[in-house]
Amino acid sequence: NAGVMQNPRHLVRRRGQEARLRCSPVKGHSHVYWYRQLPEEGLKFMVYLQKENIIDESGMPKERFSAEFPKEGPSILRIQQVVRGDSAAYFCASSPSGGMEKLFFGSGTQLSVL
Amino acid sequence: SQQGEEDPQALSIQEGENATMNCSYKTSINNLQWYRQNSGRGLVHLILIRSNEREKHSGRLRVTLDTSKKSSSLLITASRAADTASYFCAPSYNNNDMRFGAGTRLTVKP
Repeated sequence: NAGVMQNPRHLVRRRGQEARLRCSPVKGHSHVYWYRQLPEEGLKFMVYLQKENIIDESGMPKERFSAEFPKEGPSILRIQQVVRGDSAAYFCASSPSGGMEKLFFGSGTQLSVL
Repeated sequence: SQQGEEDPQALSIQEGENATMNCSYKTSINNLQWYRQNSGRGLVHLILIRSNEREKHSGRLRVTLDTSKKSSSLLITASRAADTASYFCAPSYNNNDMRFGAGTRLTVKP
C-alpha cells in the first residue's frame, strides 16, 4: 500500500520560473491538503481540495499560487514566477473523508529558489 | 488563530525520563490530534482525542484533554533517543482544514 507520494523530492528554480509540485494521495483518498513549512517553524495551511473542487484556499497567497486536484491524476500545486521567499518545504496530506480525521502526509518537496 | 499553540517550544531530557508537552487552543473543538515530525520528513499521526473524551492511551503515549481549559497534553513515558522529533497538536474546529502550531522540539539524550 503506497502512502502519499510527493515529487519531486527536491526542486531548484531560478527567480521568475514556474514550480509544479505533485502529490498523489493514498489510494482511495479524495481529500488533499497542502501545507508550507519554513525551517524551524510549524506547517502553514495553504489549501484544501476534494476531487475537482477547491474547498478552502484561505491560506493561499492571492497571486502566483494555484492548486488543483483533477478527476484523474495527482494534485498539483503551481507557483508562478517564483521568488526567493517561496523557498520552503511543501507538504501534501490526504484523508479518505472530510471531518478532519487522521491525515496521511507525504515526505514533502523542498523548493529552493536561486 | 485557529491553530493550537504548543508549549514548551523546546524540551531536552535524558533517555528514560518522561516528556510532557502541552497544547492550548481558542474555541470549542470537534477533536484534537497530535503528530510527530522527524527532521526533514512529513508529519506522522500519533493519536486523536475527541471532544467528549478526557484521556487516551497508545503505547507509551498518553493524551489528555480538558475542554474547560481548552488545553491538551501529550505525555511520552520512558523516552528513547528515537523519540527525538518535533511534536504538533492540531485542534479541529470544522470540517474544512487542520492547522498546526510551531510545535515542541523534543530532544532525548542517550
